[in-house]
Amino acid sequence: QQPVQSPQAVILREGEDAVINCSSSKALYSVHWYRQKHGEAPVFLMILLKGGEQKGHEKISASFNEKKQQSSLYLTASQLSYSGTYFCGTEIDGNKLVFGAGTILRVKS
Amino acid sequence: DTAVSQTPKYLVTQMGNDKSIKCEQNLGHDTMYWYKQDSKKFLKIMFSYNNKELIINETVPNRFSPKSPDKAHLNLHINSLELGDSAVYFCASSRTGGRTEAFFGQGTRLTVV
Repeated sequence: QQPVQSPQAVILREGEDAVINCSSSKALYSVHWYRQKHGEAPVFLMILLKGGEQKGHEKISASFNEKKQQSSLYLTASQLSYSGTYFCGTEIDGNKLVFGAGTILRVKS
Repeated sequence: DTAVSQTPKYLVTQMGNDKSIKCEQNLGHDTMYWYKQDSKKFLKIMFSYNNKELIINETVPNRFSPKSPDKAHLNLHINSLELGDSAVYFCASSRTGGRTEAFFGQGTRLTVV
C-alpha cells in the first residue's frame, strides 16, 4: 500500500539537478514530501493536494499528476545542504499517512 | 517551544522488559501517529489516533499498545521486548490526518540487548 519511490539513491555534484519520483497503485488525494538528515527527524518540505498542482520551496519544487497517481520532486542547482533521505508520503484509508522507502541523496562538492 | 516532544531520546533495555515512550504535542492537532524506522530507514506506520480514538491499528505485535490520556499525548507501551524491536520510534502529529503536514518528534532510539 505504501508508495514506490525511485531512484533508491542518487549522487550529485553541487549545482546539478535531480528528480525523485513517487508513484502509487491507489488513487492519491495528497502527496507529502519530507527530508530526513542523518540522526534527525523527517522534516516537512511540501504537500500537494488533489488538483494537479505544482509547488515550490526555494529551489525545490514538486508536481502531482493525480491521473497517473504520480508525484515528482525536483531539486535544481543542488547544494550540500540538500543531502539526506527524501520520503514521499501518501494518504490512504482516509486518515493514514504512509511513506515510501526513501531516496538517499548525496551532494558532493 | 518544541512542537512534538518525545522522551526518552535513547532507551537501552534488556530482552523481556516492559518500557514506555512518551509523546506530547502542543500544536492542538487532532491526529497523532507512531512510526518505526528500522536500520534500512523504512518509516513504517504503527498506529494513528484521531481525537483520542484509535482509528487504524496496524498489524504490529500486540505487545505494542498505544495509550492516549488526552488529545495532546500519545504514549507507546511495549511489553516483553525482543531484539527485533530495536529501532528508532517517531511520534508525529498533524492537524487533520493525511491531508495536512505532519510534524515529527526527535525520535527515540530503542536498543534491546
